[in-house]
Amino acid sequence: EAQVTQNPRYLITVTGKKLTVTCSQNMNHEYMSWYRQDPGLGLRQIYYSMNVEVTDKGDVPEGYKVSRKEKRNFPLILESPSPNQTSLYFCASRKAGSNTGELFFGEGSRLTVL
Amino acid sequence: AQSVTQLDSQVPVFEEAPVELRCNYSSSVSVYLFWYVQYPNQGLQLLLKYLSGSTLVKGINGFEAEFNKSQTSFHLRKPSVHISDTAEYFCAVSSFTGGGNKLTFGTGTQLKVEL
Repeated sequence: EAQVTQNPRYLITVTGKKLTVTCSQNMNHEYMSWYRQDPGLGLRQIYYSMNVEVTDKGDVPEGYKVSRKEKRNFPLILESPSPNQTSLYFCASRKAGSNTGELFFGEGSRLTVL
Repeated sequence: AQSVTQLDSQVPVFEEAPVELRCNYSSSVSVYLFWYVQYPNQGLQLLLKYLSGSTLVKGINGFEAEFNKSQTSFHLRKPSVHISDTAEYFCAVSSFTGGGNKLTFGTGTQLKVEL
């Protein structure tokens, strides 16, 4: 089954404790992206990757890091989480040749930073 | 730059009534338009999309949307809603930029269907 898988789905952590949210897709997609969803703000792009070893900032990259060492994986790293990073995070992917921008989403990771 | 405005943050409606969720976009170039749906505790899934051709597009679960270029709108409609349509709906626009097709989302509309 074609899917985007995120882990963990739920996480409660404390300020300053480094964490990683993993994202893996089995569709051989070149493009992957991370979004955060906050009430009243919709989805905002954090980082995206056009292919392996190619990453770029989205609209709200501060406080986040990403890496793209393999085509299927695109982890989101919070080096020193803060309460304002409490949010619902989504990973998404698509083929690079798709000229429409349509994305396939994971089920989301709800993060709470105390 | 492109942007999306969803004018209604919440839309309550009775079951079997018609509904329209409004979406307006802004872009200086040609666009592709999407509606995604998010059911409780789930990710986003594509409801329908406008790429080209007929301005009336039909999606899953009986939803349809009409692209109106002159009014820069892409409103979502369903003639008769069901309880199971309760979800959050996101309008999104993409257009080609130097970094590829970026998808920009609206702030979402929570559709609540009541008995």
